[in-house]
Amino acid sequence: QVTLRESGPALVKPTQTLTLTCTFSGFSLSTSGMCVSWIRQPPGKALEWLALIDWDDDKYYSTSLKTRLTISKDTSKNQVVLTMTNMDPVDTATYYCARSYDKYAFDIWGQGTMVTVSS
Amino acid sequence: QAGLTQPPSVSKGLRQTATLTCTGNSNNVGNQGAAWLQQHQGHPPKLLSYRNNNRPSGISERFSASRSGNTASLTITGLQPEDEADYYCSAWDSSLSAWVFGGGTKLTVL
Repeated sequence: QVTLRESGPALVKPTQTLTLTCTFSGFSLSTSGMCVSWIRQPPGKALEWLALIDWDDDKYYSTSLKTRLTISKDTSKNQVVLTMTNMDPVDTATYYCARSYDKYAFDIWGQGTMVTVSS
Repeated sequence: QAGLTQPPSVSKGLRQTATLTCTGNSNNVGNQGAAWLQQHQGHPPKLLSYRNNNRPSGISERFSASRSGNTASLTITGLQPEDEADYYCSAWDSSLSAWVFGGGTKLTVL
């Protein structure tokens, strides 16, 4: 069974750096074609893709946020980490990690973690 | 970055058929096809179809997808109360090297 679980702080202050961890099981990120993405959803709003890392350690970022994002993986721990710098209240959202195969579709999603940015 | 275009809302009656649309361009929907996700309030999205009309196991045949040029469509037949949800399309954009999402369509089953 494939599962993903997001973890990280529920509250961060403006200008701080957010670090989120996606811990997964049931697949290996070293398998050819496998990818893990981070996607967020502000309350009542649409999904927004943030970043992707693939089995070959290639990384892709949202054009509008790429200067603030860093994605990395630890294959031995089955984890993908996202850091987002200079957090702002508009970054308040539920952050999801999701698996995809060769950029076909996000087939398995985590439950999401709500992050509030407030002083 | 440019997203995909979806109508904000669609309303249909019980047991009717709803068709949701998603318009992109030749770099995303027109090239890679679209995937469709269903999201109920308070839950993560669930994949309904990918690469235009491939359904994951467990997804009802009432959900079918298609594409014509740069527009993808999701057709839901025999609407049920549990189909009331938000529906998102997504596609990989080969020009941006990025995933793009639609703004979502809220489906109301009357």
